[in-house]
Amino acid sequence: EAQVTQNPRYLITVTGKKLTVTCSQNMNHEYMSWYRQDPGLGLRQIYYSMNVEVTDKGDVPEGYKVSRKEKRNFPLILESPSPNQTSLYFCASRSRVPETQYFGPGTRLLVL
Amino acid sequence: RKEVEQDPGPFNVPEGATVAFNCTYSNSASQSFFWYRQDCRKEPKLLMSVYSSGNEDGRFTAQLNRASQYISLLIRDSKLSDSATYLCVVNPYRGKLIFGQGTTLQVKP
Repeated sequence: EAQVTQNPRYLITVTGKKLTVTCSQNMNHEYMSWYRQDPGLGLRQIYYSMNVEVTDKGDVPEGYKVSRKEKRNFPLILESPSPNQTSLYFCASRSRVPETQYFGPGTRLLVL
Repeated sequence: RKEVEQDPGPFNVPEGATVAFNCTYSNSASQSFFWYRQDCRKEPKLLMSVYSSGNEDGRFTAQLNRASQYISLLIRDSKLSDSATYLCVVNPYRGKLIFGQGTTLQVKP
């Protein structure tokens, strides 16, 4: 089954404790991205990757890092989480034809 | 001005009603356009792409007006299962997608 998986689905952590949210897709898509969704602000892009070893900042990259060492995985790293990073995070991968973005199930993060 | 703007609603309509959502975008060079559906903070899913000539998928019709920079979604014969948030999405350039805040639809019996 074609899918995007994220782990963990739920995470409660404390300020400053480094964490990684994993993302994996099995559709051989080149393009992957990370979003955060907050009430009243909608979905905002954090980082995206056009291919292996090619990443770029989205609209809200501060406080986040990503890497793309292999096509299927695109982890999101919070080196020193802060409470303003409490949010719902979605990973996505995109097919070219037809042009469709597939989202993972989301990760709910609470930073205390 | 936001890059993609939608009326957040909520739109409360009875079953069987026809409802229309509009969305405006600011970047005239935008290349492609989509409507996504999101249920109750679950992941968004593609509803339909929007083509210049307009396109229809069952009860759903999407239209694009490049001159006025707006996109519309029409839902005919609304079902209870259509209740969701509808996201307007614009691709201004390669690698970038901009999401509107979403329009909430509640279909009531």
